[in-house]
Parts: sequence; C-alpha cells; structure tokens
Amino acid sequence: QSVLTQPPSASGSPGQSVTISCTGSGSDLPNYNFVSWYRQYPGKAPQLIIYDVTQRPSGVPDRFSGSRSDNTASLTVSGLQAEDEADYYCSSYAGRNNYVVFGGGTKLTVL
Amino acid sequence: QVQLQESGPGLVKPSETLSLTCSVSGGSIGNYYWTWIRQPPGKGPEWIGYVHSIGSDNYQSTNYNPSLEGRVSMSVDPTKNQISLKLSSVTAADTAVYFCARQPAGDWLYDIWGRGMLVIVSS
Repeated sequence: QSVLTQPPSASGSPGQSVTISCTGSGSDLPNYNFVSWYRQYPGKAPQLIIYDVTQRPSGVPDRFSGSRSDNTASLTVSGLQAEDEADYYCSSYAGRNNYVVFGGGTKLTVL
Repeated sequence: QVQLQESGPGLVKPSETLSLTCSVSGGSIGNYYWTWIRQPPGKGPEWIGYVHSIGSDNYQSTNYNPSLEGRVSMSVDPTKNQISLKLSSVTAADTAVYFCARQPAGDWLYDIWGRGMLVIVSS
C-alpha cells in the first residue's frame, strides 16, 4: 500500500496542460524539500523528471514543472505531447529511519 | 555514461533467499548511495534500502525499509563496482521487478536506474 496518494489516471489533449497531484501525510512530503517525480514507460525503468520539489534535471523539457502546497505536491505537464503518455510516480523523503516513500502512480493518457 | 545492470535468478522458491547483483559501469561507486527499489506488477515502487561505501577501508553504511528489516541486507564491492542485495525468507509478496538506482550524496533522488529484473517467487 503506497504512502503517497495519487489519482490513478489523468488525461488531456495535445497542447493542453495537465496537473497530477501527490498527497502525503504530516511526516513526509510537507516536512522536507525532497519531493521527486518519475516518468515510466511500460517495461522500462523510471526516469527522474523533477527533484527537490521544483528542480528539473538537465535534458528534461521546461514543459514539466513541480510545486507543493501544504501536504500536496503537484506535477504539471504543459503543451502535452504524445510522448508524455506514461505512468508518473511521486516520491518523498520520509525522515524517520531515513527512508523514502512512493506514490501508487498516475497513468497519463494523451487523447 | 554511467550504466547499471541487475543480474541474478529470476525464479526463487518460497522461504529461500533472493540474491541480486547490480553492476556499475562507466563510473565510480564512491560518493553515491546505491539503492534497491522494487515494483510489484501493476503497482508503485517500494524503497528497499541503500548502501554507501565510505573511505578507503570500505566502511559500509546501510539503511533499510523498516517493513523489510531483518530480512534484507546490502553490500558494496568497490573492487568489482558491484552492489548486492539479499532478501531472505521470501514469499509470493516479494514477487516484483527489482531495480538498482543511484542516489547522489546529500539528496534524495534517483538519477540513474538499472533496467530492472523481474524476480518471481514460486515453487
């Protein structure tokens, strides 16, 4: 059972924007600036697209952006493209015992 | 370019020990935390833990998911650029794709992942 809660699905048309939420508890996501997002294509490994809540690794388009408000982090994908269709997972440092928690994932469909 | 590759048996019997190796190529093991993450079919990832090699005498620091504490162990072999995972007393609930991943020191993110290896627990 995932500790971070994500909607199971999201969708949008090409060119539109879509936002995926990730809700934590009082002991993880709200307390640390270590929220990251990963994109995963079927049968492939996850790929880091956002780290430290808002930072993008080099090579990730600025169409991807991250934010956080209270106990909810969000990933926004602007200018949707067909290649954005994938599963997206959030992750957060949880502090106690120095471990990490993930969300259950959101399947993004480009209509 | 750093690459990670998991290897080991793809089928393990219940109650036995799952053993996997992650081989690191194109870079050094130092200055990173090496993490194992697993993903049951159709579910989200689960953090298993990390191992970190410190100094020339290879002192190793580990931290494991409390839900697996007592069954899991990890180690680093800097001479072979390999990280190992052992998970004992496995059950069907341990069936998953197992990934090794690199975590830079000082941050909590995974910037490089192996391709993953499906391990099925079944008799």
